[in-house]
Amino acid sequence: KQEVTQIPAALSVPEGENLVLNCSFTDSAIYNLQWFRQDPGKGLTSLLLIQSSQREQTSGRLNASLDKSSGRSTLYIAASQPGDSATYLCAVPETSGSRLTFGEGTQLTVNP
Amino acid sequence: GAVVSQHPSWVICKSGTSVKIECRSLDFQATTMFWYRQFPKQSLMLMATSNEGSKATYEQGVEKDKFLINHASLTLSTLTVTSAHPEDSSFYICSARRQEGYTFGSGTRLTVV
Repeated sequence: KQEVTQIPAALSVPEGENLVLNCSFTDSAIYNLQWFRQDPGKGLTSLLLIQSSQREQTSGRLNASLDKSSGRSTLYIAASQPGDSATYLCAVPETSGSRLTFGEGTQLTVNP
Repeated sequence: GAVVSQHPSWVICKSGTSVKIECRSLDFQATTMFWYRQFPKQSLMLMATSNEGSKATYEQGVEKDKFLINHASLTLSTLTVTSAHPEDSSFYICSARRQEGYTFGSGTRLTVV
């Protein structure tokens, strides 16, 4: 059974700092990995999707990497802003189109 | 981008009544939708997988007679919480898969009083 772990559970940083969120998974036979953002009381917003054949994906100040063999992904946020404050979740589907397994999330607070 | 519309965004109901939550895929056809429940400060818990034209697949421990799921078309799935009780109060979120990955509704906050 796939298990997904996110470290740290919570992170508080001053504005402008670069930061890294970590995600690890136990079964390396993943189809892809997706990073989401969730604001309090809201649904999930997709940030980046990395296919199993890819090593990284970039969108603006966000960069996600994937190392299947070691079962790890990182989300790098450059020049953090207070608006980045949210819970960040990583998730992997067990097979194409199947259920997602989520990590517990990292709650990020960026202080002005 | 792909949009999944979920409503209502919040609902308050009395114990014993039923509540229906709708999830629509606005610009794509979703043969499969997923229904999640989320408790405060916790991650999402998959309740069931909804398949268009067939019965939903429920996760272990989820009462299928209490959480009725209907996926009658390729763009609409509904979750009905029947005979709701205060312990059913939670945040419910639907999701659908596209080639670009999974996309989620905005969630429904259910409060049963």
